[in-house]
Amino acid sequence: KAGVTQTPRYLIKTRGQQVTLSCSPISGHRSVSWYQQTPGQGLQFLFEYFSETQRNKGNFPGRFSGRQFSNSRSEMNVSTLELGDSALYLCASRADRDEAFFGQGTRLTVV
Amino acid sequence: GIQVEQSPPDLILQEGANSTLRCNFSDSVNNLQWFHQNPWGQLINLFYIPSGTKQNGRLSATTVATERYSLLYISSSQTTDSGVYFCAVLYYGGATNKLIFGTGTLLAVQP
Repeated sequence: KAGVTQTPRYLIKTRGQQVTLSCSPISGHRSVSWYQQTPGQGLQFLFEYFSETQRNKGNFPGRFSGRQFSNSRSEMNVSTLELGDSALYLCASRADRDEAFFGQGTRLTVV
Repeated sequence: GIQVEQSPPDLILQEGANSTLRCNFSDSVNNLQWFHQNPWGQLINLFYIPSGTKQNGRLSATTVATERYSLLYISSSQTTDSGVYFCAVLYYGGATNKLIFGTGTLLAVQP
């Protein structure tokens, strides 16, 4: 059974640009959550999608958005990038309210 | 919201030593997971343990939900055990359904 796949693994972007990250969950899992990890703030919850609907949202500005497709794959978009958006972005896959499995992450650097 | 605290924040061990990592949480939770973050950033599942005790090789975990804490035991530590260990509690109530992470324990095992 394939694990959680995140692409790309690494990204370098310039301030003001936008970026889209992708997450393919484990087959059969309908919940995809996104987390941001920075040295100063730790692991922070961004949002969760379940069956194409946003079920939960963390305390992040509107520049952070996401969506989920009918095959459960999810994308996360960050617009008007700021230096502080540099982080490791992790995606978690769950069947529903049970054990979460994480992808390898996307490391975003904003210069 | 629920607070998750881990102790100690840092730990240095000699290879072969045993250790206990602690996770305290401030309210009733639906579930709890322990993760090991590898040097490349991926969160590796160790235990999914709402209550009771589980063992996996040299690692074991105990969660006492009524007293709001969980312990992760590492026996006969190896250099490959180095990294950051996170506990995360799963809370779902109303519209909330997310993992809340502790601040982690940074473990360094020296040869």
